[in-house]
Amino acid sequence: DSGVTQTPKHLITATGQRVTLRCSPRSGDLSVYWYQQSLDQGLQFLIQYYNGEERAKGNILERFSAQQFPDLHSELNLSSLELGDSALYFCASSPGLAQWAQYFGPGTRLLVL
Amino acid sequence: AQTVTQSQPEMSVQEAETVTLSCTYDTSESDYYLFWYKQPPSRQMILVIRQEAYKQQNATENRFSVNFQKAAKSFSLKISDSQLGDAAMYFCAYRTPQGGSEKLVFGKGTKLTVNP
Repeated sequence: DSGVTQTPKHLITATGQRVTLRCSPRSGDLSVYWYQQSLDQGLQFLIQYYNGEERAKGNILERFSAQQFPDLHSELNLSSLELGDSALYFCASSPGLAQWAQYFGPGTRLLVL
Repeated sequence: AQTVTQSQPEMSVQEAETVTLSCTYDTSESDYYLFWYKQPPSRQMILVIRQEAYKQQNATENRFSVNFQKAAKSFSLKISDSQLGDAAMYFCAYRTPQGGSEKLVFGKGTKLTVNP
């Protein structure tokens, strides 16, 4: 158990819908990362927050957005869902920015039908 | 842009034997970090080992060790005394502390099968 929690574990929804994925980092970790794992794209970095502020963006679609709240939990919002958004979405956290390794949550498996 | 290449899509090993998984990376940075993550069938990403580029000594964690060749940009993972529980996808990952992002760049992964 990494100490990072993600809810829900599984999500099945229809095209065009909107969903919210939630992540609670390890106690004390200030940095939160979101990654998407799909069969064709592999593991891709989406976005990073540090202490409530957006720090970096990766291959995140405009239909996707995220935020980190004062209690440091983070939410990833996916809207106007398409079939191709079906993937495993991971949240990871780390204590700081420099050399710290990232610890992953169990992931949310999203299936868009 | 940094890239990570794992040239072995699949590997197999007999229980109790040793196996080495390969990883190469491309970067112009001199300061960076390298990681191996394990993803068992549960899909959880588990940190196996990490290496700081400025350290010459290869990292070791119990049965897991790395062979870090900075000049060759190579970072292989050796698993000794392989166990059935080692069966998983293994991902090599790179991270630089520069550039305003601490994102991990992953390879495509190597699927390791452990035969009893």
